[in-house]
Amino acid sequence: KNEVEQSPQNLTAQEGEFITINCSYSVGISALHWLQQHPGGGIVSLFMLSSGKKKHGRLIATINIQEKHSSLHITASHPRDSAVYICAAENTGNQFYFGTGTSLTVIP
Amino acid sequence: NAGVTQTPKFQVLKTGQSMTLQCAQDMNHEYMSWYRQDPGMGLRLIHYSVGAGITDQGEVPNGYNVSRSTTEDFPLRLLSAAPSQTSVYFCASSPHGFVNTIYFGEGSWLTVV
Repeated sequence: KNEVEQSPQNLTAQEGEFITINCSYSVGISALHWLQQHPGGGIVSLFMLSSGKKKHGRLIATINIQEKHSSLHITASHPRDSAVYICAAENTGNQFYFGTGTSLTVIP
Repeated sequence: NAGVTQTPKFQVLKTGQSMTLQCAQDMNHEYMSWYRQDPGMGLRLIHYSVGAGITDQGEVPNGYNVSRSTTEDFPLRLLSAAPSQTSVYFCASSPHGFVNTIYFGEGSWLTVV
């Protein structure tokens, strides 16, 4: 049983489309993290949130603590957004549980 | 601004060989950890440390050893490499004790033949 489930596993979008990636978790958390991994590259943190909503440029992350669900939205998607997006739940002991990632391809 | 530095980036080992993956961070973070990433699976925790002199096992510790003699460094040792250890390894760090951003190294691609 995976503590963190992401959907979809793979996503292809046309440039300009609005994209949503979903994350459900079963553990108690102190924070929910969204990470981005480019092919052959490292992993960078996009968001860390414990309630409500955060926005950075065209990226928006939301979390519903009661439903144990988070979403990552990308508005006006661009080919440079193509990457793997990983959801991670951090518990109160600073332990992380990672989803398997959503591979996003944005076609020009 | 180095962040988390991992070396080597690529390595090919023969079965039975030993090696050390180096990880260093310059952010004075207490918490450091090693993960492996395999196709179709999420990142899995190998070992972690909450401060110098303190280490503990994660989800998949067998075949790996760690030490934390300083706050900055957290090397991962493969004692006798096996093909099952072919993977991408990531070192990460973050401040401990409160919620904060996690920082990853660039990854180390290891192939055991």
